[in-house]
Amino acid sequence: DGGITQSPKYLFRKEGQNVTLSCEQNLNHDAMYWYRQDPGQGLRLIYYSQIVNDFQKGDIAEGYSVSREKKESFPLTVTSAQKNPTAFYLCASSLYRVEGNTEAFFGQGTRLTVV
Amino acid sequence: AQSVTQLDSQVPVFEEAPVELRCNYSSSVSVYLFWYVQYPNQGLQLLLKYLSGSTLVKGINGFEAEFNKSQTSFHLRKPSVHISDTAEYFCAPGRLPFRGGYNKLIFGAGTRLAVHP
Repeated sequence: DGGITQSPKYLFRKEGQNVTLSCEQNLNHDAMYWYRQDPGQGLRLIYYSQIVNDFQKGDIAEGYSVSREKKESFPLTVTSAQKNPTAFYLCASSLYRVEGNTEAFFGQGTRLTVV
Repeated sequence: AQSVTQLDSQVPVFEEAPVELRCNYSSSVSVYLFWYVQYPNQGLQLLLKYLSGSTLVKGINGFEAEFNKSQTSFHLRKPSVHISDTAEYFCAPGRLPFRGGYNKLIFGAGTRLAVHP
């Protein structure tokens, strides 16, 4: 079955360490996105990519980095520069060159905790 | 640019009661609208979508939404809720027609539905 997979589901990190969250999709979608979700808050866009080897900063990109070397993969690195990284991270994908019918497919999320 | 506003951050309701979650949209071009549901500690999943045609859209789990152009609204309704409907619900606009450049996928702020026994 086609879908989008995030791993790991839970991740613990010590302060000062970088950590990479994995996101893989087999839906043949061009566009992929990373969101951060804090308790009681909505989705805040970190980075997004509409084609391979290209990505754009979202609203809260500071302290994060991404790569898009393959269509299927869009890993997110949370760097030590991110001052408050404890959050729930969601990856999504969608078709791109389609008007309107831009249904997003989400992974199950990664809960990152800094200890 | 197309955007949405969810008018309620939290909606408490008793089991088997009806519920309406409100979403208003603003757009100067064609309208495409979605509702997503997020259960605790999970990703979002599509409830229903309006692309064109009938203004009453039926989705999964007994939910439906009505596209109202005159009121620029796309409210989500269910005639009788269950405890299992407790979740966060997000309204979202579809992406504008592709004209090159970069288009984000955006979502409303979310409405937390709490169903009580």
